[in-house]
Amino acid sequence: DIQMTQSPSSLSASVGDRVTITCRASQSIGRHLNWYQQKPGKAPKLLIYGAGSLQSGVPSRFSGSGSGTDFTLIISFLQAEDFATYYCQQGSSAPYTFGQGTKLEIK
Amino acid sequence: EVQLLESGGGLVRPGGSRRLSCVASGITFSSYAMSWVRQAPGKGLEWVSGISGSGGTGDNTDYADSVRGRFTISRDNSRNTLFLQMNSLRAEDTAVYYCARIPSVYLVGEFDYWGQGTLVIVSS
Repeated sequence: DIQMTQSPSSLSASVGDRVTITCRASQSIGRHLNWYQQKPGKAPKLLIYGAGSLQSGVPSRFSGSGSGTDFTLIISFLQAEDFATYYCQQGSSAPYTFGQGTKLEIK
Repeated sequence: EVQLLESGGGLVRPGGSRRLSCVASGITFSSYAMSWVRQAPGKGLEWVSGISGSGGTGDNTDYADSVRGRFTISRDNSRNTLFLQMNSLRAEDTAVYYCARIPSVYLVGEFDYWGQGTLVIVSS
């Protein structure tokens, strides 16, 4: 199985900050990497698919990059509504594993 | 508007069975692969199972090792419904179960629409 490792596990930041979350796959997954945002008590929401494509309706302050084994999610100008938990997920091959999550908290 | 609505969760004894359902609306259900993803209380996301969309190669299915042989995924395209039959349930199966759509007929890629989830508690 492909293991997905996110860092950091938690992060404190302020409104207006630029935040970077990284995700590493245990083997190459090309660009089959997706990012989700989850708020407490809610279902996950797709932000980025195919490593760098912005899902419809998602603000442009979210961006993704990377290929192979190393990927990055950047939130360029944090807004209050961005404080949540973020997960990466590989869509290359089953089982479609998720990273352990990064909890983004208000500083 | 795409909507996925899960049902069937509840309290079940260890070793028992439960069938979850997910009714889809706003999409041509048969054209899309679907998956179940679960989240244990306070934990991260775990992909459970998936089924391809109809057409060509038929309904391909796949499972996480943790549920293989105990869970069965299926779909009824005439009722726009996805199922997860869960047998031999264990305490570690306690979780919120989400159904999610893959924007492809093939069982590969991202989950672009999710239901609100249904909670399964396995406890004596």
